[in-house]
Amino acid sequence: GAGVSQSPSNKVTEKGKDVELRCDPISGHTALYWYRQRLGQGLEFLIYFQGNSAPDKSGLPSDRFSAERTGESVSTLTIQRTQQEDSAVYLCASSGSSGTDTQYFGPGTRLTVL
Amino acid sequence: KQEVTQIPAALSVPEGENLVLNCSFTDSAIYNLQWFRQDPGKGLTSLLLIQSSQREQTSGRLNASLDKSSGRSTLYIAASQPGDSATYLCAVNGNQGGKLIFGQGTELSVKP
Repeated sequence: GAGVSQSPSNKVTEKGKDVELRCDPISGHTALYWYRQRLGQGLEFLIYFQGNSAPDKSGLPSDRFSAERTGESVSTLTIQRTQQEDSAVYLCASSGSSGTDTQYFGPGTRLTVL
Repeated sequence: KQEVTQIPAALSVPEGENLVLNCSFTDSAIYNLQWFRQDPGKGLTSLLLIQSSQREQTSGRLNASLDKSSGRSTLYIAASQPGDSATYLCAVNGNQGGKLIFGQGTELSVKP
């Protein structure tokens, strides 16, 4: 079946603009995660959705970052008033009914803030 | 706070060698540990997942072990091939739900 998909694959924006990144999880996966990978650094957890529970937002770096998920489908990560330090690859992952199952990652969105 | 460390940061071996990648974590209260590979410019591919109750998992030429009490995991790659060249990431799923805490990775290069 289809894997996790993300769009756009690349996004170049100017400092101060808002951007929206999209993630389509594997069908039937109830858990969805966003991570960030800045150049030369490891992956950082951002936010986690599990079914209809309140999301775990503990990794969001500032209030400029927000994410939504409609039911068990698409998620969008929004970054307002982008800064140069937001430049990174944003990765989405999904997993099955248990939050402890294998996480399957999408190809990522490379965000460049000029 | 959980911290994950991978050693070495980079490794270069000739084709055919067996090799071991190391991962250590500071908090032994984990649900599972996952190994991934990441190719340049690509997302992550899951290799193996070891639940906290397990000692090891095998897939083809890969074998991952877990010693939860000492906070260590190893990824053993047998008969390495140039196609194994990638960055290998270790990630721990701790006691805060499903989020993964990643190590910095080991960049592996297998020379033909």
